[in-house]
Amino acid sequence: DVVMTQSPLSLPVTLGQPASISCRSSQSLVYSDGNTYLNWFQQRPGQSPRRLFYKVSNRDSGVPDRFSGSGSGTDFTLKISRVEAEDVGVYYCMQGTHWPRTFGQGTKVEIK
Amino acid sequence: QLQLQESGPGLVKPSETLSLICTVSGDSISSSTYYWGWIRQPPGKGLEWIANIYRTGSTYYNPSLKSRVTISVDTSKNRFSLNLTSVTAADTAVYYCVRGLNTWGQGTLVTVSS
Repeated sequence: DVVMTQSPLSLPVTLGQPASISCRSSQSLVYSDGNTYLNWFQQRPGQSPRRLFYKVSNRDSGVPDRFSGSGSGTDFTLKISRVEAEDVGVYYCMQGTHWPRTFGQGTKVEIK
Repeated sequence: QLQLQESGPGLVKPSETLSLICTVSGDSISSSTYYWGWIRQPPGKGLEWIANIYRTGSTYYNPSLKSRVTISVDTSKNRFSLNLTSVTAADTAVYYCVRGLNTWGQGTLVTVSS
């Protein structure tokens, strides 16, 4: 299985400050069609996960533009330009290139 | 508006079969180009892919669960289901049904305990 490793696992952030989460895969996530199937999810407390990005940097509908996704190959990053209170939760990366699909351990974002 | 709703027993005894249904509204399983699937999350832990199925009937099962899992579709009722046999305490989790990855149900907690 492809191992997805996130860091940090805990991220205390001051409101209005930026935040960055790293996700590394044990194998390249470039598929034979040339696409890279790396997704990011946000799970707010008590809620179902919600996808934020697909194929690395494609923002889902309704996702604020303070969120951005980037990366390639095996190294990916989710950034929040200015953290707001509603961004508190756990963030997961997930690869959709290889079977079985696998998730990172999650990064818990909290307000300092 | 697309909605997915999980239903099933909240408590299952060890060695028995866990059976869940996901009822879909706002899209047709038989015509959708998306896949339909199940993902689970043990309490306080991360996410695990279980299985998915396409409208063609093509399925994928996580190898770690493959011998115990079956996913199926009932197009007449626009719903799909999950069966997980020989459950243990390790199968205690919130089970989510999904359409692709962009729509999730609210999740249902299944506890395995005698």
